[in-house]
Amino acid sequence: DQQVKQNSPSLSVQEGRISILNCDYTNSMFDYFLWYKKYPAEGPTFLISISSIKDKNEDGRFTVFLNKSAKHLSLHIVPSQPGDSAVYFCAAKRLSYGKLTFGQGTILTVHP
Amino acid sequence: DTEVTQTPKHLVMGMTNKKSLKCEQHMGHRAMYWYKQKAKKPPELMFVYSYEKLSINESVPSRFSPECPNSSLLNLHLHALQPEDSALYLCASSSNTGTGHYEQYFGPGTRLTVT
Repeated sequence: DQQVKQNSPSLSVQEGRISILNCDYTNSMFDYFLWYKKYPAEGPTFLISISSIKDKNEDGRFTVFLNKSAKHLSLHIVPSQPGDSAVYFCAAKRLSYGKLTFGQGTILTVHP
Repeated sequence: DTEVTQTPKHLVMGMTNKKSLKCEQHMGHRAMYWYKQKAKKPPELMFVYSYEKLSINESVPSRFSPECPNSSLLNLHLHALQPEDSALYLCASSSNTGTGHYEQYFGPGTRLTVT
């Protein structure tokens, strides 16, 4: 049972444009959501998080939106840069519990 | 500083060997984690230590044995592994306040190959 889903295995975007990565979850107990970026043979790098009491969180070029009623979150990257090319994982958890549940990942390619 | 270090970077071991993976963080985090990641898959949780005590074991086989000697160090002892245990092993840490566990910061991982 996949509790966190990233339905797009890949996304290709032109440099300077917006990248939108999507994530859906099924477990209503999740109350904290995170996005990680991963390069091959490296550990995931934390990008941005959002608590279920908010619907938006912004950090520089990265913005995460949360729609609790739809159990959907998205990561917007504006403007996209070639260095953003990586695998992006959405993750969810209960704040009171240590376990992170990851989605399958979306490969983002930003073309110059 | 959000650095988690892991050694070794690569490890090749036979099925009868005993080896250990090491993880260290100096962020004052009191929760530490082991994850396993197979190729083209997301990381999967193995163990969680909170305040140096094992708090979660995700039904991991006993050939994997975690140890948390102090608040900065986390080890994973390996014995009698199978070829299917070959994977990237990731360590992570997070703050663990009264209100919960927050962002987890990951190390670079140990690439393990079992022959």
